[in-house]
Amino acid sequence: DTEVTQTPKHLVMGMTNKKSLKCEQHMGHRAMYWYKQKAKKPPELMFVYSYEKLSINESVPSRFSPECPNSSLLNLHLHALQPEDSALYLCASSQEPPQPQHFGDGTRLSIL
Amino acid sequence: QKEVEQDPGPLSVPEGAIVSLNCTYSNSAFQYFMWYRQYSRKGPELLMYTYSSGNKEDGRFTAQVDKSSKYISLFIRDSQPSDSATYLCAMVPLTGANNLFFGTGTRLTVIP
Repeated sequence: DTEVTQTPKHLVMGMTNKKSLKCEQHMGHRAMYWYKQKAKKPPELMFVYSYEKLSINESVPSRFSPECPNSSLLNLHLHALQPEDSALYLCASSQEPPQPQHFGDGTRLSIL
Repeated sequence: QKEVEQDPGPLSVPEGAIVSLNCTYSNSAFQYFMWYRQYSRKGPELLMYTYSSGNKEDGRFTAQVDKSSKYISLFIRDSQPSDSATYLCAMVPLTGANNLFFGTGTRLTVIP
């Protein structure tokens, strides 16, 4: 069992739907991350919250919207996704970098 | 040229063998080095974290870093079928330390 909990584990949605992915950690970490991972590829960084301040990967489309309600919670809001957005979405957390990141088991997202 | 190169495998070994997994990197700013293990349909699990040249041992796992050659390795002794997974090297520069730079991963199969 990981100490970073992600829900749901699986999500199937249509291109017009709005949904949210959730992540929670109770390790007292102050940095939280969203990654996207396609099959047989390494994770790609999408967003970072460090001390609840957001850093964005400029290549991430605006149909992905992160939210950090507090230092333990991280959400990823999804809207009008495309089939190519189907992937494993991973949440991670860490103490202040460069301490190593700890990953959850991800949400497997399928866009119909 | 990618900043982190990893032998892609796949690698298949008999149970009990010594496994060597390797990454090279081009950016001398990388100072912190990690190895993650990822089972199918799971998130990456931190195995080893080091920031010094030399060897670090944890049970059957040894991480080796050679900063002068920009080369890191993970050795697995007495490999077990449960070690079958994808292994990802990752590294972090001294600055801009929110970014994990991953290798492409090596898929390992340990045959009983």
